[in-house]
Amino acid sequence: EAGVAQSPRYKIIEKRQSVAFWCNPISGHATLYWYQQILGQGPKLLIQFQNNGVVDDSQLPKDRFSAERLKGVDSTLKIQPAKLEDSAVYLCASRLTENTEAFFGQGTRLTVV
Amino acid sequence: DQQVKQNSPSLSVQEGRISILNCDYTNSMFDYFLWYKKYPAEGPTFLISISSIKDKNEDGRFTVFLNKSAKHLSLHIVPSQPGDSAVYFCAASGPDMRFGAGTRLTVKP
Repeated sequence: EAGVAQSPRYKIIEKRQSVAFWCNPISGHATLYWYQQILGQGPKLLIQFQNNGVVDDSQLPKDRFSAERLKGVDSTLKIQPAKLEDSAVYLCASRLTENTEAFFGQGTRLTVV
Repeated sequence: DQQVKQNSPSLSVQEGRISILNCDYTNSMFDYFLWYKKYPAEGPTFLISISSIKDKNEDGRFTVFLNKSAKHLSLHIVPSQPGDSAVYFCAASGPDMRFGAGTRLTVKP
């Protein structure tokens, strides 16, 4: 079974620039999460999709962050414009059902300079 | 947002001894709990989980205990091995999934 794929692995941008991350979940997994993990902290939930609908985006800074999951499969997370404090690892995870484990991709390390 | 708390940032144990990692949660809606292990530059890897209808789940050297009344769970690793050295995250699910801040476990040979 192929795992969760994320790209790019690393990205360095200047503040005020835009950036996009891509995630391909495990086939058949209806639930998809995006997390932000700042160094030394636990993953912080940004947005949760169930198929192509948003379940929870209460912690997504909507003035600069956006996410979509077209056709209920792949997902993209965008930051526009980026700030220095957005430097973090962005993790994508997918899950078959609520009471099963979630599988994580390797993450995208973003550095904003 | 501190719905899941891991109050010990680090833990050091001797090889062969027991490691006990603790986690507390506040939201009564959580009904499924998971432990993940994380190495540097990798995504979290699932370790073990427990449903709220159980109070214990065992998988080899790993056992998770759940005390619903205290909103507390713990992960026991027996015996601990140097390869267990990593950061361990507790997660609580239902309907979303929230993580604690992690505990860095070091197992000394």
